[in-house]
Amino acid sequence: QKEVEQDPGPLSVPEGAIVSLNCTYSNSAFQYFMWYRQYSRKGPELLMYTYSSGNKEDGRFTAQVDKSSKYISLFIRDSQPSDSATYLCAMIADPNTGNQFYFGTGTSLTVIP
Amino acid sequence: DAGVIQSPRHEVTEMGQEVTLRCKPISGHNSLFWYRQTMMRGLELLIYFNNNVPIDDSGMPEDRFSAKMPNASFSTLKIQPSEPRDSAVYFCASSHLANYGYTFGSGTRLTVV
Repeated sequence: QKEVEQDPGPLSVPEGAIVSLNCTYSNSAFQYFMWYRQYSRKGPELLMYTYSSGNKEDGRFTAQVDKSSKYISLFIRDSQPSDSATYLCAMIADPNTGNQFYFGTGTSLTVIP
Repeated sequence: DAGVIQSPRHEVTEMGQEVTLRCKPISGHNSLFWYRQTMMRGLELLIYFNNNVPIDDSGMPEDRFSAKMPNASFSTLKIQPSEPRDSAVYFCASSHLANYGYTFGSGTRLTVV
C-alpha cells in the first residue's frame, strides 16, 4: 500500500463550480499536510499547508484535514479557468527533521469557461 | 530571490550517453531533494541532502544514477549510461528545515532515444 493515495482524475468542471480534491494516507504519524499546484510544464508550487486536524481557508481555497479518517481535502470555490492544473497533496510527520514529504500522484483539474 | 534554478530545461540524448542535470538551490536552504516525475508513477523521490550530506538515496533506481552536492549552492544528478526508460521530468527542490514545504525548480525534461 502506498503511503498516500490520490485519485488521478482527470476532473473537468464548469467555471464557477465547487471543486473537491482528496487524498487518503496510511501513516498516522503524519501531522503536516500540504497542497501543491502544478501548471503544465512547470514545477509544483506550494498552495496551502495545515497542521494536524481542522480547516484552513485562503481566499477561494479551503484545506481540510480529518486525522481520524486519515483523509484530507482541498476545496476550490468559484473555480476559474486559471485553476486548471494538477493538484498534489503532500504530507510529513515532522518537517523540522529534514525528512522527505510523501506526495500523492496528483489530480488533473480542468475548469471549462 | 531567483528561486531554485535547474539546467538544462530540456535534454535529448542517445541511449548509452552520460547525462548530467544541475541544480542551484535557494540561498539559505539547507535541504535539497531530487525528484523524478512521470505520468505513470507521479513524483518519485530519488535522493535528498541535508547540509550537503546525502541522507536517503533509497529512491535512486540503480547504480547508473548518482548525485553529488559539493557545496550548499550546487548539486548534480548524473545518469550513466542513460536508457530510454529514464525519460522523465527531473525536479530539484530545496527547503529550510524550519519552514514548511519545498520550493521546486522548473524541472529538466529528459528524453533518451
